[in-house]
Amino acid sequence: ETGVTQSPTHLIKTRGQQVTLRCSSQSGHNTVSWYQQALGQGPQFIFQYYREEENGRGNFPPRFSGLQFPNYSSELNVNALELDDSALYLCASSFNRGQDEQYFGPGTRLTVT
Amino acid sequence: QQQVKQSPQSLIVQKGGISIINCAYENTAFDYFPWYQQFPGKGPALLIAIRPDVSEKKEGRFTISFNKSAKQFSLHIMDSQPGDSATYFCAVSASGGSYIPTFGRGTSLIVHP
Repeated sequence: ETGVTQSPTHLIKTRGQQVTLRCSSQSGHNTVSWYQQALGQGPQFIFQYYREEENGRGNFPPRFSGLQFPNYSSELNVNALELDDSALYLCASSFNRGQDEQYFGPGTRLTVT
Repeated sequence: QQQVKQSPQSLIVQKGGISIINCAYENTAFDYFPWYQQFPGKGPALLIAIRPDVSEKKEGRFTISFNKSAKQFSLHIMDSQPGDSATYFCAVSASGGSYIPTFGRGTSLIVHP
């Protein structure tokens, strides 16, 4: 059984650019949640996907968007990057919308210059 | 507005000592209270969780104490070890909200040998 994997590990982008982050969920999990973790802070919920549909969204602007694929892997897209988007982006997978434990990936460290 | 307040921000204890981290919440709709442990370069991992129908839950050296009337819960790490040095996050979630957790700001624990 493989755990949650994320790619890339690190990424440096320029303000105004677009970025796509990827997440492969744990085997058997049909729910993926994305979080933003700023330095020294707890993770903040961005959105959740359950069986390819958005199942909830946190307080993030529409330039944060996502997708879930039939194999339950997921993408997070961020348009028009801002300096404040610099953070660790975490993906977590679970079964049936998080009623069971969420398993987090190691994250993607995004730096916007 | 913080939905969960965590303290202290940092904690230093000697090996063998007791580490205590506290969290307080306001919304009585929350019905699931997990604690996560995060090591540098890793995503958070669920350590222990409690539901409001019990006042205490113990797993090995880790204990959650829950005070429903005070809307507070705490993590106790007995016989703290250097390997416990990590950042700890409390979280709150509700079954009506698909168990999407809201995290505290974290406590950086250092256990000196």
